[in-house]
Amino acid sequence: GEDVEQSLFLSVREGDSSVINCTYTDSSSTYLYWYKQEPGAGLQLLTYIFSNMDMKQDQRLTVLLNKKDKHLSLRIADTQTGDSAIYFCAEEPGGYQKVTFGTGTKLQVIP
Amino acid sequence: DAGVTQSPTHLIKTRGQQVTLRCSPKSGHDTVSWYQQALGQGPQFIFQYYEEEERQRGNFPDRFSGHQFPNYSSELNVNALLLGDSALYLCASTSRGSTDTQYFGPGTRLTVL
Repeated sequence: GEDVEQSLFLSVREGDSSVINCTYTDSSSTYLYWYKQEPGAGLQLLTYIFSNMDMKQDQRLTVLLNKKDKHLSLRIADTQTGDSAIYFCAEEPGGYQKVTFGTGTKLQVIP
Repeated sequence: DAGVTQSPTHLIKTRGQQVTLRCSPKSGHDTVSWYQQALGQGPQFIFQYYEEEERQRGNFPDRFSGHQFPNYSSELNVNALLLGDSALYLCASTSRGSTDTQYFGPGTRLTVL
């Protein structure tokens, strides 16, 4: 079955790095996503990684994928107060299938 | 180039009523999916439309139905509204002819009183 799990809450100081972790169960997942959602807003796609990749870096964001352990992480370097939001990990098997989301990790950045 | 648009932005209904939400996909996209995001939860897949037919469905009752039009826009209909249907309803679009990821709209917030 499909299940995506995340820790519920993370608090970091401004300027530190944040690492948000996620585990998934569907080994056929082709795309793995990180979305950001600010209060009262829709979903913003931050980045995604193909399942045949181990790492993807995009400016302050680094995604690491351990396919053997079905573990995905998002590292945000030099975390800013504007990064405070809920971050969702999500998986998609590919072939235009449904996207399965985790319950979200609330990131609180302390000035 | 407009992204995914949804209307209305907010909606208030009472129990037992019916509601229709609308979505216009990103230009060039032909596949539309609908998601329900209850407060404090991640989005849950409702169904997906392609070529005006429902292609996949999540674990939602028949009270949830949809439609896709020839211009690829889509509607989500919910009958006999329950308090538990209060949520943010998100539409996402993609193109089956490309490797493009899904793009999400801003959502419609439905409150059922």
